[in-house]
Amino acid sequence: SQQGEEDPQALSIQEGENATMNCSYKTSINNLQWYRQNSGRGLVHLILIRSNEREKHSGRLRVTLDTSKKSSSLLITASRAADTASYFCATYNDYKLSFGAGTTVTVRA
Amino acid sequence: DSGVTQTPKHLITATGQRVTLRCSPRSGDLSVYWYQQSLDQGLQFLIQYYNGEERAKGNILERFSAQQFPDLHSELNLSSLELGDSALYFCASSGSGGGSEQFFGPGTRLTVL
Repeated sequence: SQQGEEDPQALSIQEGENATMNCSYKTSINNLQWYRQNSGRGLVHLILIRSNEREKHSGRLRVTLDTSKKSSSLLITASRAADTASYFCATYNDYKLSFGAGTTVTVRA
Repeated sequence: DSGVTQTPKHLITATGQRVTLRCSPRSGDLSVYWYQQSLDQGLQFLIQYYNGEERAKGNILERFSAQQFPDLHSELNLSSLELGDSALYFCASSGSGGGSEQFFGPGTRLTVL
């Protein structure tokens, strides 16, 4: 069963614009992670935010976590064509990483 | 390249058959995880091994089993295959027992005919 749900399911933006996607989850977590997947290939870890953190940055990525609302957001700034991919949030708890259904992001040149 | 290798890349077999998927973790990683990705179920955690011992179990069917060997490579065995088992199977590894970032292999695409 999937713990997280991403919103929106799909997103199409122009190169240079920002992309924001949200993740909601149901149970308590130790941390929340974001991964990227390019067209049926292996997932690539982007960023990890612990349950006691509220915001984290990595390059053009900004992640927020609101444990009271059980939600997280991923912001990609100044998007590039290479950012076209599916993005998954994953919650870690009880030794298990549970993935959401993902947001498909298309960056138009 | 994540450093995690999986073989084979593609596998086509018939219903009722048994297959073995192989995974070599990144050098030094003690944890190996198996996931199944399909269109209807999404990405599902199957099982985790840490240094040869089973650590956590997810939505793994009884027809599926896994093990991690002393050299830390892992195998996922799928038996009595059904059409619904067609999916991408990913292996991932991490240095810790859990909670840290995971490094994913390229996956094995299984097609059951």
